[in-house]
Amino acid sequence: EPEVTQTPSHQVTQMGQEVILRCVPISNHLYFYWYRQILGQKVEFLVSFYNNEISEKSEIFDDQFSVERPDGSNFTLKIRSTKLEDSAMYFCASKVGGASNYGYTFGSGTRLTVV
Amino acid sequence: AQKVTQAQTEISVVEKEDVTLDCVYETRDTTYYLFWYKQPPSGELVFLIRRNSFDEQNEISGRYSWNFQKSTSSFNFTITASQVVDSAVYFCALSEANTGNQFYFGTGTSLTVIP
Repeated sequence: EPEVTQTPSHQVTQMGQEVILRCVPISNHLYFYWYRQILGQKVEFLVSFYNNEISEKSEIFDDQFSVERPDGSNFTLKIRSTKLEDSAMYFCASKVGGASNYGYTFGSGTRLTVV
Repeated sequence: AQKVTQAQTEISVVEKEDVTLDCVYETRDTTYYLFWYKQPPSGELVFLIRRNSFDEQNEISGRYSWNFQKSTSSFNFTITASQVVDSAVYFCALSEANTGNQFYFGTGTSLTVIP
C-alpha cells in the first residue's frame, strides 16, 4: 500500500537553529499538508499546499515556517529559527483530491526536539 | 469553540471488556466528514474509518463499530472484546465541505487495555 514517508523520524536541534523536515507524499496525490502535535495534545493543522503554493495556513504557521516542493517528489517544512515551543511531532499528509471527503494518508511523523 | 470534543481523556479497561469512545462535533455545514484515527505508542496516525454526513448507517468492522447520530452530533466508537493491542490514543476528526483543506481533531482519548 502506498505510504507517505517522512525523514528523519527524530531530530534534535538547538534553539535558534534552522531545521528542515522532509516528506515524500504518495506519487499521484496533489494536495499536501503539515500538521503538528505537541506532546500529549491534539493534532493541529499548520498548512496546506496545492499547485506549488500555499492554499491555507493556520495562525501557528507564522513567518518562521515555510514549505516547499523543491522537486517532483519531496515536500518540506522549514523552521527558520527554532524555539523550545516548536518541539512536537510533525506529520505530513497527502491526499489525491482537495474535496473534504478524501481521507488523508499521514506519514509516520518526525519528532522534533528543540533544546 | 471546539469543533470536535472528546470528553474522555483517559480510559482503562480490562482485556475482553467492551469500551466506547465518545466524540461530539460541531459544524454548520450540511456536508461534512467524520474520521477516527488510532495513534499507537509508536506515534503514527492510523486511519480507521471515514463517515459522511449523509450516511447515518452504523458500521461494523471486526471488533470495531461506529455509531453516527446526527441528532446528537455524535460519532462514537466502540471496541468489543478489547485487547492489549488496542491500547493507544484515539482521535476523532471532522472535515467540512466548505473548509475541505483541513481536519479538525479532537483532543484524543487515551485507551489502556489491562491484561
